[in-house]
Amino acid sequence: KQEVTQIPAALSVPEGENLVLNCSFTDSAIYNLQWFRQDPGKGLTSLLLIQSSQREQTSGRLNASLDKSSGRSTLYIAASQPGDSATYLCAATGNQFYFGTGTSLTVIP
Amino acid sequence: GAVVSQHPSWVICKSGTSVKIECRSLDFQATTMFWYRQFPKQSLMLMATSNEGSKATYEQGVEKDKFLINHASLTLSTLTVTSAHPEDSSFYICSARLGVAANEKLFFGSGTQLSVL
Repeated sequence: KQEVTQIPAALSVPEGENLVLNCSFTDSAIYNLQWFRQDPGKGLTSLLLIQSSQREQTSGRLNASLDKSSGRSTLYIAASQPGDSATYLCAATGNQFYFGTGTSLTVIP
Repeated sequence: GAVVSQHPSWVICKSGTSVKIECRSLDFQATTMFWYRQFPKQSLMLMATSNEGSKATYEQGVEKDKFLINHASLTLSTLTVTSAHPEDSSFYICSARLGVAANEKLFFGSGTQLSVL
């Protein structure tokens, strides 16, 4: 069974810093990997989706990479802002969808 | 982009009553929808996969008689929590897949916070 782990579980950084969130998965037979943002008590907002054949995707200040062979994906956030504070989830898509445990990010003004 | 609408956003009910949650894909047809639940400070857990016109596929440990899923059309799936109890209190989220391929993007509803008294 696929296991998806996110490190760190929580992260607090001052505004303006660049940061990296990590996601690891045990089964490399995935179709894609997707990064989401979740605000407290809210649903999920899709940030980036990387197909299994791709290495990275970029959207604005966000860049996500995928290394299937090592079972890792990273989400890079440049020049962090207080509005980036949220929980970030990664999900590996195989025959089913498996979510990571999430990283709670706090950006301090 | 694709929009998934989920209603209600929150519901409070008495123990023993049933609650229905709707998930609609507003501008696309979704042959497959998914239902998740999330406990505080935990990640989402897939409950079931809903396929239009057929029975839902439930994950291990999820009671299908308690969590009734109906996917009667290509734009609507419903989750009914029957005879709800306080332990069913949770955040429920639906998602719909854009397209039929397994690698298609998922879009999520805004979630439903269920509190059972």
